[in-house]
Amino acid sequence: AQKVTQAQTEISVVEKEDVTLDCVYETRDTTYYLFWYKQPPSGELVFLIRRNSFDEQNEISGRYSWNFQKSTSSFNFTITASQVVDSAVYFCALSEISAQKLVFGQGTRLTINP
Amino acid sequence: ETGVTQTPRHLVMGMTNKKSLKCEQHLGHNAMYWYKQSAKKPLELMFVYSLEERVENNSVPSRFSPECPNSSHLFLHLHTLQPEDSALYLCASSQERASGVNTDTQYFGPGTRLTVL
Repeated sequence: AQKVTQAQTEISVVEKEDVTLDCVYETRDTTYYLFWYKQPPSGELVFLIRRNSFDEQNEISGRYSWNFQKSTSSFNFTITASQVVDSAVYFCALSEISAQKLVFGQGTRLTINP
Repeated sequence: ETGVTQTPRHLVMGMTNKKSLKCEQHLGHNAMYWYKQSAKKPLELMFVYSLEERVENNSVPSRFSPECPNSSHLFLHLHTLQPEDSALYLCASSQERASGVNTDTQYFGPGTRLTVL
């Protein structure tokens, strides 16, 4: 069965600090996809990144970077030089080819203080 | 309009009311989803429609009734709800690449905040 764990319920940092959001997943499939979504106070889930299980290259997009490590079943998300606008709930999600559905973690509420 | 839109954004209803939530996607996708997000639970998948056919119903009570008249529109009809049904209801869409294989990115609407009194 697929499962996603985001152990950090809430994180609060001061603006310009770097922050890492942890995501650990469980799956028996060899083919699967991992996602990160951002949910600002407005409620909409905003897609950030999709990564397939065969691509362990880390990715950087501006201030955002993702570290995918199959050996530890982790897909962590780092925000560099955080800004107040980064405040949101962030969800990690997993989709197995066999299950054909998206399973979300509990989410991490990130607060960036000015 | 672009992306996925949902109306209304906020809804307050009594337990005996009947109301409907509407979702529309402008992305040309062929699969649509309803999720429930309540305060103390992770996002729960409720229904999945692929090519306008319901392919998944995750043990959702019959007081929730989905309808997908075409690939761009999805409704969630509500009747005799309970206070515990108060939640954020999110709609999403994606492009299913092959029959029964759907791992493509889901794009979400802004949600309908539902309060049942």
